[in-house]
Amino acid sequence: LAKTTQPISMDSYEGQEVNITCSHNNIATNDYITWYQQFPSQGPRFIIQGYKTKVTNEVASLFIPADRKSSTLSLPRVSLSDTAVYYCLVGLSGYALNFGKGTSLLVTP
Amino acid sequence: NAGVTQTPKFRVLKTGQSMTLLCAQDMNHEYMYWYRQDPGMGLRLIHYSVGEGTTAKGEVPDGYNVSRLKKQNFLLGLESAAPSQTSVYFCASATALTRASYEQYFGPGTRLTVT
Repeated sequence: LAKTTQPISMDSYEGQEVNITCSHNNIATNDYITWYQQFPSQGPRFIIQGYKTKVTNEVASLFIPADRKSSTLSLPRVSLSDTAVYYCLVGLSGYALNFGKGTSLLVTP
Repeated sequence: NAGVTQTPKFRVLKTGQSMTLLCAQDMNHEYMYWYRQDPGMGLRLIHYSVGEGTTAKGEVPDGYNVSRLKKQNFLLGLESAAPSQTSVYFCASATALTRASYEQYFGPGTRLTVT
């Protein structure tokens, strides 16, 4: 399993763009990069997934450089409801994945 | 379409007691997982299944057993509960987004306390 490293916590004000970077130096050729969001007392929820370059959906963008050794989740104009823990996962999602501790994002007014 | 459901939602056990947690999904997913999450920690994989009748160990399998007799159900058993197994247990199932990538859907969790 590819090991990931991401900041333990981040703070932001409402309306700002938040970028959370994840390092995954030993990513394998077939691995995908997936981000999940978890609110207190709930199970994680899929946000976005990518293999290379840039992926964008209605919630976030995912930037992956050419060497794929890191990735950045970008949340545009965050609101208070974006306060959550964000997990970066690397691997073939159908098999065992390591969620780690994630990044705890706190958004304040 | 209920998604992933877990039974029960809460449970208190005494040390040494046994119990079974039930996970059910109605999305016809091949892959199913059991995770535990301790306070302030991330999710750790206990066991998983890549199809009906098959199971495999995850990161923290000791003290737990699982069965996947039907595609839609994944059971997690604790034969002799210990206080160290006090945790929130999440079940998930996965579907393929592409041939090699998948999205996991999580249940609401079961909060288990062992005294």
